[in-house]
Amino acid sequence: RKEVEQDPGPFNVPEGATVAFNCTYSNSASQSFFWYRQDCRKEPKLLMSVYSSGNEDGRFTAQLNRASQYISLLIRDSKLSDSATYLCVVLGFSGGYNKLIFGAGTRLAVHP
Amino acid sequence: EPEVTQTPSHQVTQMGQEVILRCVPISNHLYFYWYRQILGQKVEFLVSFYNNEISEKSEIFDDQFSVERPDGSNFTLKIRSTKLEDSAMYFCASVRVNYGYTFGSGTRLTVV
Repeated sequence: RKEVEQDPGPFNVPEGATVAFNCTYSNSASQSFFWYRQDCRKEPKLLMSVYSSGNEDGRFTAQLNRASQYISLLIRDSKLSDSATYLCVVLGFSGGYNKLIFGAGTRLAVHP
Repeated sequence: EPEVTQTPSHQVTQMGQEVILRCVPISNHLYFYWYRQILGQKVEFLVSFYNNEISEKSEIFDDQFSVERPDGSNFTLKIRSTKLEDSAMYFCASVRVNYGYTFGSGTRLTVV
């Protein structure tokens, strides 16, 4: 089983639409979770951290379900500028050090 | 806002040649990482570096790879004898505990 699994998409949506991405992770001991955004041939950039209680940042809402090992990202009122690849990321921990473990990403294309 | 700087932005090299990718992390960060992303694939962990030594490396990071921090500022990734399959984006990241990861803009390595 992949450590972090996402639907690759693409999701093609019109401006103003609401779109949701899902992600599952395999290591039940994982403690920290993130959504990153990556534009074509650019570095990943942190979009938001994901907390057990759920968190919202403007049009973006992230949720975590530890029992199901499932993370989601909801984007409301999509903008053209939201077109990008959204990476589900889990903080892995081994041997006293941590590292980010990336999913393969879900592509979003927002059209006029 | 402090940045992680990577040079060069793009390097083309012949198979079998040595390459050195350079990174200048943020000055008060203590943990440094190299990740790579083959075109169309996920971001993969290569190596982490703390206190002037490797703290963890992935199975990708074989004897052809090495890292060092020669002058307390630059953080370099060396590939001794490049192969075609080393073609990828290489991202450097530095971390200050509790403040998250900052990625550089990457070096696109093309091996021909």
